[in-house]
Amino acid sequence: NAGVTQTPKFRVLKTGQSMTLLCAQDMNHEYMYWYRQDPGMGLRLIHYSVGEGTTAKGEVPDGYNVSRLKKQNFLLGLESAVPSQTSVYFCASRATSGRAPDTQYFGPGTRLTVL
Amino acid sequence: EDQVTQSPEALRLQEGESSSLNCSYTVSGLRGLFWYRQDPGKGPEFLFTLYSAGEEKEKERLKATLTKKESFLHITAPKPEDSATYLCAVTSFNTGNQFYFGTGTSLTVIP
Repeated sequence: NAGVTQTPKFRVLKTGQSMTLLCAQDMNHEYMYWYRQDPGMGLRLIHYSVGEGTTAKGEVPDGYNVSRLKKQNFLLGLESAVPSQTSVYFCASRATSGRAPDTQYFGPGTRLTVL
Repeated sequence: EDQVTQSPEALRLQEGESSSLNCSYTVSGLRGLFWYRQDPGKGPEFLFTLYSAGEEKEKERLKATLTKKESFLHITAPKPEDSATYLCAVTSFNTGNQFYFGTGTSLTVIP
């Protein structure tokens, strides 16, 4: 049981390049989230999904797109990266029922640098 | 907009010196308040969920409490391995699928 995994762990992009971050969970959770974490700003929600095929905007969605084609995967895309997207990106998942329905389980993070 | 403020930003304690971390929140219709621990270079790890004022949860040297305006994370006789950043988050009935995080308290426990 791997929990939440993220690929890649590190990435360096040049301004204008695109990339996709992959999040996978093996807990059969309905909800999945993408956050970014910046010094002094805390975790901020980018996009989230309440189920396969559905996505919604969070607090800071501009410049990002997401897709949830399979229940276990949640992809975060940057179409044309800019330096302000330099950050650490975390994915999380949570169940909607059971003992702890509000508990978010986080992945290890992806450290992205945009030059 | 839901807001979470944590204090202090950083805290240094001697091993065995008990203290408390504060999380104050402004939420319309609190549904839940959460505490996480984050070690350097890792993702947040869940500690506690509190749902109503007066509720308390304990785990080893940690105890979380909740009032209508704030939550405290009490650390009793801390050890160096308790050194980490502690994050507080809230969700409300108005924005039930979204969670708002504070900026965290960085705790260092000196042997």
